Amino acid sequence: DIVMTQSPDSLAVSLGDRVTINCKSSQSVLFSSNSKSYVAWYQQKAGQSPKLLIYWASTRESGVPDRFTGSGSGTEFTLTITNFQAEDVAVYFCQQYYRTANTFGQGTRLEIK
Amino acid sequence: QITLKESGPTLVKPTQTLTLTCTFSGFSFDTDEVIVGWIRQAPGKPLEWLAAIFWHDDKQYTPSLRSRLTITKDASRNQVFLTMTNADHVDTATYYCAHRRRKGDIWFPFDYWGQGTLVTVSS
Repeated sequence: DIVMTQSPDSLAVSLGDRVTINCKSSQSVLFSSNSKSYVAWYQQKAGQSPKLLIYWASTRESGVPDRFTGSGSGTEFTLTITNFQAEDVAVYFCQQYYRTANTFGQGTRLEIK
Repeated sequence: QITLKESGPTLVKPTQTLTLTCTFSGFSFDTDEVIVGWIRQAPGKPLEWLAAIFWHDDKQYTPSLRSRLTITKDASRNQVFLTMTNADHVDTATYYCAHRRRKGDIWFPFDYWGQGTLVTVSS
């Protein structure tokens, strides 16, 4: 299995802050045939299903605010949230879908300071 | 518009077999290169991918649960089923089904999720 390790586990953030969540994969998730890293980021608010934010490491899903940005390639990836809003309180998961047996990170919980 | 909805028992006893149903709309196994996966989340825990079934009926399972899981589909009824044998307390979780697709040689992640169904394993 490809292990996805996120950091930090939790973070208290002030409104308007810039937030960075890191995710490291145990092996490369870069498809050489199309040069895409098969990493996605999801947002899960309390009591809700996960919502896709970012795929191929840096492509924003339709309708996702542009304050959410994904970056990275190979084995190290980052989700950045600029101008943190109250509605961004949630748990964020990274996921590799390079292998059919997808795996998720352990999640990063963001709350308001 | 793509929607998925999980259904099944809310309570099962240890050692029983659990069967969950995912009923979907907005896509078709017969006409689209789609995958439906099952993912679960124990209370306060991360997401755990369980199984997936492809439009061409290929099936994949997480290695740790492979011997206990069976995923099937009824394309004519737009349903996917997940069967888990020998239920245990550690299987208590919210179970989600979700949609993925392929376009050419490009694969997409889970972009639509059901609301989830909470299954409790308890005697």
